[in-house]
Amino acid sequence: SQQGEEDPQALSIQEGENATMNCSYKTSINNLQWYRQNSGRGLVHLILIRSNEREKHSGRLRVTLDTSKKSSSLLITASRAADTASYFCAPGGFGNEKLTFGTGTRLTIIP
Amino acid sequence: DAGVTQSPTHLIKTRGQHVTLRCSPISGHKSVSWYQQVLGQGPQFIFQYYEKEERGRGNFPDRFSARQFPNYSSELNVNALLLGDSALYLCASSGDWISPLHFGNGTRLTVT
Repeated sequence: SQQGEEDPQALSIQEGENATMNCSYKTSINNLQWYRQNSGRGLVHLILIRSNEREKHSGRLRVTLDTSKKSSSLLITASRAADTASYFCAPGGFGNEKLTFGTGTRLTIIP
Repeated sequence: DAGVTQSPTHLIKTRGQHVTLRCSPISGHKSVSWYQQVLGQGPQFIFQYYEKEERGRGNFPDRFSARQFPNYSSELNVNALLLGDSALYLCASSGDWISPLHFGNGTRLTVT
């Protein structure tokens, strides 16, 4: 697996607004995963998108994947205080071997 | 169902000492992975075990070792601790080697 680079490093928005964060990677992938980490806790898997998919939804989450640009985006709609966390992408091969995480996007939702 | 459990939750050790961290995967999960997360950074892969066999090793020195037991629980051992080993150590399990990872809340290791 290779390391993804999340952008921006930090993002602050008002509660109720949408949050968008991006992930770029360098070489071809079979899938890409997004994880969330609340302060001091373990990571929680949010969504996996395969290389033959362009968009995927899960509740208030929408993930897109553009393999030609080697990039992915995570959109959180109608943000809530509980969405405050760090978000990491993990571009992967066939499996979950050696997932490599970047420094993440730190999202703060302002009540 | 219980999630991934790690013990201890916090640990303070002195430079040069040895430490053992423990992880119990979700029931039925046969794959366990270990990650090190230094403050302000993303988790870095240390080891993955599947069915008690090592499937992958990250770029960590030989002071780091791990094993997986017949009940699929796992231990991470670190010898000759350095100040730079201070970090959150995360364990993750999955049902197989292609499914998303389920993380525990980690062991916070402080080396003084």
